[in-house]
Amino acid sequence: AQSVSQHNHHVILSEAASLELGCNYSYGGTVNLFWYVQYPGQHLQLLLKYFSGDPLVKGIKGFEAEFIKSKFSFNLRKPSVQWSDTAEYFCAVNGYAGSYQLTFGKGTKLSVIP
Amino acid sequence: DSGVTQTPKHLITATGQRVTLRCSPRSGDLSVYWYQQSLDQGLQFLIQYYNGEERAKGNILERFSAQQFPDLHSELNLSSLELGDSALYFCADLRHDSNQPQHFGDGTRLSIL
Repeated sequence: AQSVSQHNHHVILSEAASLELGCNYSYGGTVNLFWYVQYPGQHLQLLLKYFSGDPLVKGIKGFEAEFIKSKFSFNLRKPSVQWSDTAEYFCAVNGYAGSYQLTFGKGTKLSVIP
Repeated sequence: DSGVTQTPKHLITATGQRVTLRCSPRSGDLSVYWYQQSLDQGLQFLIQYYNGEERAKGNILERFSAQQFPDLHSELNLSSLELGDSALYFCADLRHDSNQPQHFGDGTRLSIL
């Protein structure tokens, strides 16, 4: 069975600080990895995805993530956060097992202080 | 706007009642996935439908059921509601048998009083 672990429940940063959110997964086969963001009261939006190739992937709004296969990790990073990045961030994986359902981490709430 | 439409946006009801949540995916050869987001369990996959048939089942309670209709919209039926069923219910669509990211609707917030 797939599982995803996000290390931080709530992160509080000042504007312009750097961000790194941890994500580790467990799955026996080939996985696809995603980071979704959920702004208050809104639906889940895709930030970035990794399927194969370059392990450093760039997403929208200046976010990037690095896939480290040996560590089963897919950490999200942003060099300089803005107040508008305040949201909840979810790491997710899927690997085909008859379905492409997503397995999500518990989420990390990011609060950016102006 | 992802193009996936969910109604209603909010639903308030009492324990023991039954509700139906509706999802209209984008057009095309798509699977529909239902997820539940609750404070204690986080985001969990419930069930997947394709071409009117159930394709995969996750952590869905026996009190819950779903179906997909010929026009591809899907309904999630929740019965004998309990306080713990209060959650945000999302549906998402995905081109069938594709590993591309799922597109999520805005969700239905269900509050049980």
